[in-house]
Amino acid sequence: AQSVSQHNHHVILSEAASLELGCNYSYGGTVNLFWYVQYPGQHLQLLLKYFSGDPLVKGIKGFEAEFIKSKFSFNLRKPSVQWSDTAEYFCAVNALDFNKFYFGSGTKLNVKP
Amino acid sequence: DTEVTQTPKHLVMGMKNKKSLKCEQHMGHRAMYWYKQKAKKPPELMFVYSYEKLSINESVPSRFSPECPNSSLLNLHLHALQPEDSALYLCASSPVAGPPGTGELFFGEGSRLTVL
Repeated sequence: AQSVSQHNHHVILSEAASLELGCNYSYGGTVNLFWYVQYPGQHLQLLLKYFSGDPLVKGIKGFEAEFIKSKFSFNLRKPSVQWSDTAEYFCAVNALDFNKFYFGSGTKLNVKP
Repeated sequence: DTEVTQTPKHLVMGMKNKKSLKCEQHMGHRAMYWYKQKAKKPPELMFVYSYEKLSINESVPSRFSPECPNSSLLNLHLHALQPEDSALYLCASSPVAGPPGTGELFFGEGSRLTVL
């Protein structure tokens, strides 16, 4: 079955540590890729997106993600996390050929001050 | 603050009640969506409206009835719900009409529904 996988369900880091959250999908063909973030008590909001072009995408608040087509991956990275990055992070994929859009199961990030 | 406004923020209803959830956006977006999110799960798509017409219904039970009165408003009418329908109901809009993921989604804060 086609799916979006976020293997890390809960990540705990200290401030200034580097972050990498994994996202893999199983669709072939053309995809639009997204990372959304939900800070505690707030609405879901877009961190970054990839539609085409440079596979290294920069988003808000120092986040970036790299689309590796051969690995069906779109991992999220940040070189140095802050306490304010504590949130839940959702990867999302639109498989354009199938007209299907799915969220991953989410990764909860706790950053210790 | 989000530019997609949902009311009410919390709703408790009995299984025989009829209630409605409302969503409003003034960004000129032509696609609007209803999602359902259970605790510790990702949002699940329920309905898609493009240019005020229902374009996708993800096999949602008829006890949920969406309505799009105009390009800024989206309602979700609730009738004869079950306790398992308790969840956070999210509204989203997109500047790009079509299925979600065609463009960026802008989410509201959600309406937390409890069915007794």
